[in-house]
Amino acid sequence: GAVVSQHPSWVICKSGTSVKIECRSLDFQATTMFWYRQFPKQSLMLMATSNEGSKATYEQGVEKDKFLINHASLTLSTLTVTSAHPEDSSFYICSAPTSGRGNEQFFGPGTRLTVL
Amino acid sequence: QKEVEQDPGPLSVPEGAIVSLNCTYSNSAFQYFMWYRQYSRKGPELLMYTYSSGNKEDGRFTAQVDKSSKYISLFIRDSQPSDSATYLCATAGGTSYGKLTFGQGTILTVHP
Repeated sequence: GAVVSQHPSWVICKSGTSVKIECRSLDFQATTMFWYRQFPKQSLMLMATSNEGSKATYEQGVEKDKFLINHASLTLSTLTVTSAHPEDSSFYICSAPTSGRGNEQFFGPGTRLTVL
Repeated sequence: QKEVEQDPGPLSVPEGAIVSLNCTYSNSAFQYFMWYRQYSRKGPELLMYTYSSGNKEDGRFTAQVDKSSKYISLFIRDSQPSDSATYLCATAGGTSYGKLTFGQGTILTVHP
């Protein structure tokens, strides 16, 4: 299957700081990537759709000014959690579809964010 | 009502057992159905991808989709301790291109 990487795999930061998470498609190009959040023992919740060359689209209830998404190239999307607070602590996972089968998503290994 | 319902378990079976995992969904526009396996603190791994109704087999795994009853299943034959993980069903389709709707996930433990 296709490979998606994320960096960092885990990060601890102080409340009020910003954290950037990178998502890369390693062996294919992705004009669209997706960002999910997963709380302990819960399922994945879609946060936003990252679109190369245009603005991201956010799901209802997700603050776009807090979760900044930039799809810089066909292989890279970044999620920046601005002014992070302890309630933002979660497991953030990105995914990307391979071309031609948009609903066949491959997920990154996830980034565990802990805000102190 | 959640769009995709999945019994969270936990489910514990002995090694070698046949495991049956199930989900129901409510949106008839869903046409794509997937099963993911997620180990603790890891990203989900795609196991099965199916379109519309029918069966699909891959090694020890069989996915079934019954669109008439909005019911999807994953069967694992000859289960192994390494199969212990959380299994997530997911659906997609309609106008929401690429957007997956996940079930809650079922925690499976296969004990030796």
